Parts: sequence; C-alpha cells; structure tokens
Amino acid sequence: DIVMTQSPDSLAVSLGERATINCKSSQSVLYRSNNKNKLAWYQQKSGQPPKLLIYWASTRESGVPDRFSGSGSGTDFTLTISSLQAEDVAVYYCQQYYTVPRTFGQGTKVEIK
Amino acid sequence: EVQLVDSGGGLVQPGRSLRLSCTTSGFSFGDYAVSWFRQAPGKGLEWVGLIRSKAHGGTAEYAASVKGRFTISRDDSKSVAYLQMNSLNTEDTAVYYCTANDDLYWGQGTLVTVSS
Repeated sequence: DIVMTQSPDSLAVSLGERATINCKSSQSVLYRSNNKNKLAWYQQKSGQPPKLLIYWASTRESGVPDRFSGSGSGTDFTLTISSLQAEDVAVYYCQQYYTVPRTFGQGTKVEIK
Repeated sequence: EVQLVDSGGGLVQPGRSLRLSCTTSGFSFGDYAVSWFRQAPGKGLEWVGLIRSKAHGGTAEYAASVKGRFTISRDDSKSVAYLQMNSLNTEDTAVYYCTANDDLYWGQGTLVTVSS
C-alpha cells in the first residue's frame, strides 16, 4: 500500500498569511501515460463531506478560489493557501488515486491564529 | 450537472446486513470505476473498495477490513452502484461515500450506525 504522510498535523495561521501543508507518498504516484501525478487535495469542514480542491497535483477544481494551489511531483507535494481566510478553517487531506487501495494522509487541521 | 446521491444508511444491529446505493447522473457512469469510502466519527477517510468499469473488466477490489463481508456491484443501465454490507460490526459505524471518475466526483454520504 502507498502510505501518505502529511505534515504538520495542525497549523495555526493569521488571517491573510500563507498556510503550507506537505504530503509525502511512500512511492511515486506519477501516471506515465500523461506524466501527471495522481494526487488530490480535499478540504473537509465539520459535518460536511470532503470537498475536492486540487487534482493531478496542481489542477484547481472549478469554483475553488485561486488562493489554493498545489505543487510537487513524484513523492513530495504541497498545498498552499496564499492568504488564509476565515472560511478556510478545516481539515485538509491529500490522497493518492494512482492505485488501490486508495490512501489518504492523516489530515492537517488549519486554524486561525 | 454531475450528481451522486448516497442512500440506504441507518441504524442496524451487529451481525445484520445493509445495502447502500449510489445513484448518479450527469456523466457517463458506465465509463468509470466507482469507489466507496467511509469516515468513522472523528476519524480520517478510509477507502472501502472499488468496482472497475465493464471496459476494464468490471472487477472489484476491497480493503482488508471489509474483504469477505462487503460486496460492490453496479447497474450501468440505471447508473447506480451498490455496497452490500454483511456481518456488520460496531467498527463499521461511519459515513459512507461513493465516488467516481478517479474520485473527482463525490456523493454527500450516508450514515451507517451499527449498534444494539
């Protein structure tokens, strides 16, 4: 199984400041057919289903604010919130959809400082 | 508009069975694999299993925690996927979500509570 490890487990950032979440996979999730990484980022607010933010490691889902961006390749990935807003308080998960079993990071809780 | 509607959850006693449905619209259901995920109260997301499209054999894979107890099936004529859950135990209590298209599409989830 591919193990996904996120860091940090929690993060407190001031409004308007940058938040950075890292995700490391135990093996490459690069899909050679299109040279893209099968890595997604989700936001989950309390009591709600996960919301897809980013797929193919860096493609923003339609309707997601451009303050959210994804980067990385191979085994190391990053989700950046460029200017944290109050509505961004949530738990964020990375997930690989390269193979089964699908696996997630343990989640990173983002709060306002 | 892409829609996935999860249904069939509820309260069930340990050892009993339950079948969840994932009713979809707005995309070519038959072209995609469907996965089921779950999230126990206060916990992270866990993959339950997947059924491939007919073009890729229509076969299913399962997490070790549910293998032999859960079965995923699909009816492409109705654009619906199912999760048959047998021999339920308290550790299966969770919100269950179906997904499609490499997990780009998600249902809203349905709560399964296993308790006596």
